[in-house]
Amino acid sequence: TQLLEQSPQFLSIQEGENLTVYCNSSSVFSSLQWYRQEPGEGPVLLVTVVTGGEVKKLKRLTFQFGDARKDSSLHITAAQPGDTGLYLCAGPAGGGTSYGKLTFGQGTILTVHP
Amino acid sequence: DTEVTQTPKHLVMGMTNKKSLKCEQHMGHRAMYWYKQKAKKPPELMFVYSYEKLSINESVPSRFSPECPNSSLLNLHLHALQPEDSALYLCASSQGATDTQYFGPGTRLTVL
Repeated sequence: TQLLEQSPQFLSIQEGENLTVYCNSSSVFSSLQWYRQEPGEGPVLLVTVVTGGEVKKLKRLTFQFGDARKDSSLHITAAQPGDTGLYLCAGPAGGGTSYGKLTFGQGTILTVHP
Repeated sequence: DTEVTQTPKHLVMGMTNKKSLKCEQHMGHRAMYWYKQKAKKPPELMFVYSYEKLSINESVPSRFSPECPNSSLLNLHLHALQPEDSALYLCASSQGATDTQYFGPGTRLTVL
């Protein structure tokens, strides 16, 4: 079974601070996705990383996929209150009976205070 | 366009009611999913449809009955639910079963 360990689980910071969320596994993933979710809403896709060593930027958000495709990170620069939400990493669970399933990390609840 | 729509947005039902949740996508995706999500937790997979056929049922109780009338639509029929079934129900779709999944806004279900 492929697992994704996401850390930290909770993050409470002031506006303007930087932060990093980690998503680690002992298994290789063909791709990893990062989602952001607000209370009562569905997860919104932020990015998909596919290539080992890949770095993608989305405004103040920087996503990295590890060289071995076993880990990923999300870095937010100068966080704003609008960044508040639940951040989820996820990846395809593999073949066999897991085909079609998505493995999720436990999630990181980020609160950015004005 | 990467939009998945879900109706209704909110649903309150009694334990003897029968209701349905609806999901629609027009991206030409061939895989569609139902998830259940409790507050501040990751979504839990319930069902997967691939090419309009049920491919995964994660041992979901029979009071939840999925249906895929065509490649764009996915329904979840609800009957005799329990209060512990109250949750956010999410629909998602993807091009193929291992491709990036796009989620709908969810239906907030409350069972009284």
